[in-house]
Amino acid sequence: KNQVEQSPQSLIILEGKNCTLQCNYTVSPFSNLRWYKQDTGRGPVSLTIMTFSENTKSNGRYTATLDADTKQSSLHITASQLSDSASYICVVSSGGGYNKLIFGAGTRLAVHP
Amino acid sequence: EPEVTQTPSHQVTQMGQEVILRCVPISNHLYFYWYRQILGQKVEFLVSFYNNEISEKSEIFDDQFSVERPDGSNFTLKIRSTKLEDSAMYFCASIERLMGPDEKLFFGSGTQLSVL
Repeated sequence: KNQVEQSPQSLIILEGKNCTLQCNYTVSPFSNLRWYKQDTGRGPVSLTIMTFSENTKSNGRYTATLDADTKQSSLHITASQLSDSASYICVVSSGGGYNKLIFGAGTRLAVHP
Repeated sequence: EPEVTQTPSHQVTQMGQEVILRCVPISNHLYFYWYRQILGQKVEFLVSFYNNEISEKSEIFDDQFSVERPDGSNFTLKIRSTKLEDSAMYFCASIERLMGPDEKLFFGSGTQLSVL
């Protein structure tokens, strides 16, 4: 069964600190892996998209990694800001259609001053 | 950055009533989607729409659900007779084209539907 599992479920860090969020997936076939940021009460916003051949991709203070062999991805946030407080969702695409997006449950990050 | 617009942001309805959730996708986008997220749960795919017809739908999208693009800008989701378990945040999404794995899927801010 296609699944995306994220850890931790929630995380609290202090402003300015770094953190790493984890995503493990069992999705076949694999097309690409996306990280989204979802603010409370808002729709998900795309942070990064990685295909099978990409190991790392950055978007400002966000850096995503992908190990297609172990089927693991991580999202590293550098020098966290209060505005980083949100849910971070790992989404794996199985095939070309967006009906084939498999969503993780998300990691809820709280950045405290 | 362009936005997908959804209205209303909140909708409260009685069980058995019909509701219509409205979306205005980004103007040059061709593919449209509805997803839902029950509180505390994962985002789930409902339906995809292209060229004025449904291209894919999930098991959730039963006969009580329908979608329509009544004009060149709006994309609606209708629930004919709401049930308590339809309470969720409903997200509309759109994308310009399907080609290329780097295509970004743009989500709206959602409509929070509460069925009483």
